[in-house]
Amino acid sequence: QQQVRQSPQSLTVWEGETAILNCSYEDSTFDYFPWYWQFPRESPALLIAIRPVSNKKEDGRFTIFFNKREKKLSLHITDSQPGDSATYFCAANTGGLSGKLTFGEGTQVTVIS
Amino acid sequence: NSKVIQTPRYLVKGQGQKAKMRCIPEKGHPVVFWYQQNKNNEFKFLINFQNQEVLQQIDMTEKRFSAECPSNSPCSLEIQSSEAGDSALYLCASSLQGSAETLYFGSGTRLTVL
Repeated sequence: QQQVRQSPQSLTVWEGETAILNCSYEDSTFDYFPWYWQFPRESPALLIAIRPVSNKKEDGRFTIFFNKREKKLSLHITDSQPGDSATYFCAANTGGLSGKLTFGEGTQVTVIS
Repeated sequence: NSKVIQTPRYLVKGQGQKAKMRCIPEKGHPVVFWYQQNKNNEFKFLINFQNQEVLQQIDMTEKRFSAECPSNSPCSLEIQSSEAGDSALYLCASSLQGSAETLYFGSGTRLTVL
């Protein structure tokens, strides 16, 4: 059972455009939602994260919008750059020392210049 | 930059052979995770430790997988009898306080089972 789902599977945008990545989850006990990005042949790295007490988190060109009622969140990448080309993973956690991250399937983003 | 060190970077084994990989977590991080990432980019949680104690683990199929994090030694993940389906990227990550905090991933060990 996939508890964290992402769409689209892949996304191509032109340089300067806004890329929108979607994520939904099922478990209402999830209380921490990080986004990781992974470049080819590299390991994942934390990009930005949000907790349900907020409905928006911004870090430079990256913004998370969170809708707790619908159990959905999205990552917006404004003014996309070729260097943003990577696979983006939405993840969720219930917290606590024994908590573990549940990852979505990923969205592969390609930014064309 | 992550300071989680994983070795070896690449590992090639024949079916039925043992495969062992190691991980040195970032200094001061008591919590260590192992994930398997397959060719479809899907992450599978395997096990996590706080210091030397297992916090949570999946039902490791047929007990072929074993892991430990001894004090003063690298953590390790071992597959007793490798199968073709075990071919994947094995990622070790550490954090200060569980996955509620930032997970720092190592560069991974890419296992190929021939």
